[in-house]
Parts: sequence; C-alpha cells; structure tokens
Amino acid sequence: GENVEQHPSTLSVQEGDSAVIKCTYSDSASNYFPWYKQELGKRPQLIIDIRSNVGEKKDQRIAVTLNKTAKHFSLHITETQPEDSAVYFCAASYRQGNLIFGKGTKLSVKP
Amino acid sequence: EAGVAQSPRYKIIEKRQSVAFWCNPISGHATLYWYQQILGQGPKLLIQFQNNGVVDDSQLPKDRFSAERLKGVDSTLKIQPAKLEDSAVYLCASSPGTGGRDTQYFGPGTRLTVL
Repeated sequence: GENVEQHPSTLSVQEGDSAVIKCTYSDSASNYFPWYKQELGKRPQLIIDIRSNVGEKKDQRIAVTLNKTAKHFSLHITETQPEDSAVYFCAASYRQGNLIFGKGTKLSVKP
Repeated sequence: EAGVAQSPRYKIIEKRQSVAFWCNPISGHATLYWYQQILGQGPKLLIQFQNNGVVDDSQLPKDRFSAERLKGVDSTLKIQPAKLEDSAVYLCASSPGTGGRDTQYFGPGTRLTVL
C-alpha cells in the first residue's frame, strides 16, 4: 500500500546550522507534498508545500525540493533558531486528496 | 478567519465506554477530515467528508468507530466501545475545495486516554 518514509527520526543541530529532513513516497500518482510543524501539545501547522509541477520552492529560511523520478522530497531549514525546535511531518497526497504522513522528525536546535 | 474548532480538548474514559468528539471546520470549507495521531507517530486518516458525503472511510474501524457530518458543516466522531489502543489525539482538519492539492488546516485535537 501507499507509504511515506521519513528520516531521520531525531535531529539535533546547533543554532545557526542547517537542518535537512528527507522523505520518500511510494505512490507515483502523488502530486502534492506539504510539510507540517507540530510543537508539543499543539496542532500541526503547514509551513511549506510543493506541487509536482515544480522542483523547488523557497520561503525565507525554509525550502523544499522534489524529485519525482526518485519519489523523494526534502525540507531544508537554514540558519536554524531555537524556535524551530518541534516535530516536523512530511506528507504526500493520494487518491481523493487524502494525505499520508511520515512518522515525524523531532528537531532540536541548541542555543 | 476563525480556525478549526474541536471539543472536548481532553477526555479520559474506561475501556468499553463510549465517547464522542465534535469538530467545527473553517467556515465555507467543503472537505473535512478526521485523523488519529498516536503518540510518536504522524496523523493517520480515519475518514474524509466532502460536504456531507463520505469520500474515504477505508481506514475507519467501522465495528467501533462512526462519524457523520450533518448539513455539510459540523462533524462528530464516535467510538463505541473504546479499547485501550484507541488512546490517541484525534485531529480534525478542513480544506476549502474538493481537489487533491488543497491545504489542510488542523484543529487543536482531542486527547483521548482509555484506561
């Protein structure tokens, strides 16, 4: 069945460093790939998304790249700050617009 | 714009009891989703509504879970009877359109503990 693999499960970086989280998906028909940030006890919030007609999208310190041939996409956060600490989830669309989520990456940014 | 509202925020019940959760999506949003998020995992879709019709309930354990979206607005999710493994956060989300590439906006969730 459809699946989204996310790596790493935990990531610790120093403030100011970059962080990269990678996801692979199984359904070649997937065409929408959002990334959500979830702080402890809070709701998931969309931080960036990419659709399959583009290969890269950037929003300030956050960027996402998509390789449809290899069926993988990545989140890049530059100049990390302590407030970037959270769990990040990737997701891929399938069927009627449903999303399959990865298992999450817990990012810790050390001051 | 008001966000997705859910209630209650927390619920503790004993196994075999029943429980119901309520969701009010963002006004005008056609599609409503219920997700189950077990601790340490990503959200898993339980059911998707477009307006008041079910689009996908393939992962809903229908022997104990039920959901409805009356009049295409609010929705309720019910569990009867609850099992220990139902302990999770139940998230409601909504999106404006009916296509497959709309942003989904999540509510704060209901944290269910089954003892």
